[in-house]
Amino acid sequence: KAGVTQTPRYLIKTRGQQVTLSCSPISGHRSVSWYQQTPGQGLQFLFEYFSETQRNKGNFPGRFSGRQFSNSRSEMNVSTLELGDSALYLCASSLAKLSGRPTDTQYFGPGTRLTVL
Amino acid sequence: GQQLNQSPQSMFIQEGEDVSMNCTSSSIFNTWLWYKQDPGEGPVLLIALYKAGELTSNGRLTAQFGITRKDSFLNISASIPSDVGIYFCAGDSPGSSNTGKLIFGQGTTLQVKP
Repeated sequence: KAGVTQTPRYLIKTRGQQVTLSCSPISGHRSVSWYQQTPGQGLQFLFEYFSETQRNKGNFPGRFSGRQFSNSRSEMNVSTLELGDSALYLCASSLAKLSGRPTDTQYFGPGTRLTVL
Repeated sequence: GQQLNQSPQSMFIQEGEDVSMNCTSSSIFNTWLWYKQDPGEGPVLLIALYKAGELTSNGRLTAQFGITRKDSFLNISASIPSDVGIYFCAGDSPGSSNTGKLIFGQGTTLQVKP
């Protein structure tokens, strides 16, 4: 079974521009979560989508947004880029089925390395 | 907000040695997960723990979900050079279960000397 895929792997943008990142979850997985990873702040939760609906959102400004399509693929968008947005953006997918477990295990993609100049 | 304190921050050990790292939280967690991340890649799941007191092994790796639900440890036995990487603990709190939000520790950087 193919893993989580993210495109592009690397991206260079300048301040003020906007960017869209894409994530394709593992086949059959219905939940997609996004995280930002930086050396200073570590891994921080951005938002999660399930059945095209945002179920949870982290503490990030409104410049960060996302969506999920009917095939569970997800995109995140960052508008008006700032230097501090340079980071590795990770997408994770999970089954999100009622398995009796308190949560569903998340599997990560390789990430998109965004550099803002 | 919720935080996970992971220690040690880094370790430099000799090949063949055993390694132990742990995570603690001020609040209870429903799930504890341990991931390993190589440079330029996403975290790879090593072990998932779902019940307080649960002890789970995956090859040379062993992890336990603390009885208080506020801590977890990961042990690596007989380390080898390919164990090099950053290890993260992660968990979700009762308020965030099944909403895709994981809280991550700061990571433990492991270096193994052949």
